[in-house]
Amino acid sequence: DIQMTQSPSTLSASVGDRVTITCRASQSISSWLAWYQQKPGKAPKFLIYKASSLESGVPSRFSGSGSGTEFTLTISSLQPDDFATYYCQQYDSHPLTFGGGTKVEIK
Amino acid sequence: QITLKESGPTLVKPTETLTLTCTFSGFSLSTRGVGVGWVRQPPGKALEWLAVIYWDDGKYYSPSLNRRLTITKDTSTNQVVLTMTNMDPADTATYYCVHRLVNYGMDVWGQGTTVTVSS
Repeated sequence: DIQMTQSPSTLSASVGDRVTITCRASQSISSWLAWYQQKPGKAPKFLIYKASSLESGVPSRFSGSGSGTEFTLTISSLQPDDFATYYCQQYDSHPLTFGGGTKVEIK
Repeated sequence: QITLKESGPTLVKPTETLTLTCTFSGFSLSTRGVGVGWVRQPPGKALEWLAVIYWDDGKYYSPSLNRRLTITKDTSTNQVVLTMTNMDPADTATYYCVHRLVNYGMDVWGQGTTVTVSS
């Protein structure tokens, strides 16, 4: 199985900050990585696929990068609506696996 | 518009079998590249992928739960069913049904259904 490790597990930031979340795969997954945002009590929302492609309707302040084993999700200017937990997920091979999540909190 | 909705019991007893149904609309599970899967989330914990079934009837399971899970599809009724045997309190979670395309992420999620395992 491919293990996905996210860091940090919690991140405290202020509105307007640039935020970066890292996701590492235990082996190369090329660019087969997705990112999701989840708010309390809600289903996850699909943000990014193929490591850097923005899903339709997702604000352009979100961006993804990386390939192989190291990936990042960046929020260029944090907005109040962005405080949430973010998950990466690899789909290079089954079993599909998620990272442990990064909670973005208000500083 | 793609929608998915989970249904099933909210409370099951330890050792019982859980049966969850995902009823979907807006796509066909006969279309090449389409899959429907299940993801769960215990209270306060991370997402855990469980299983997926594809248009060609290909099925994949979480290795840690493989012996307890079965996923099936009925393209005539637009439903996918997940069964999990020998339920344990550790299986208490919100269970989500998801749509995915091969080489794409899980782009549409159901609202989730909460299952509690308790005697």
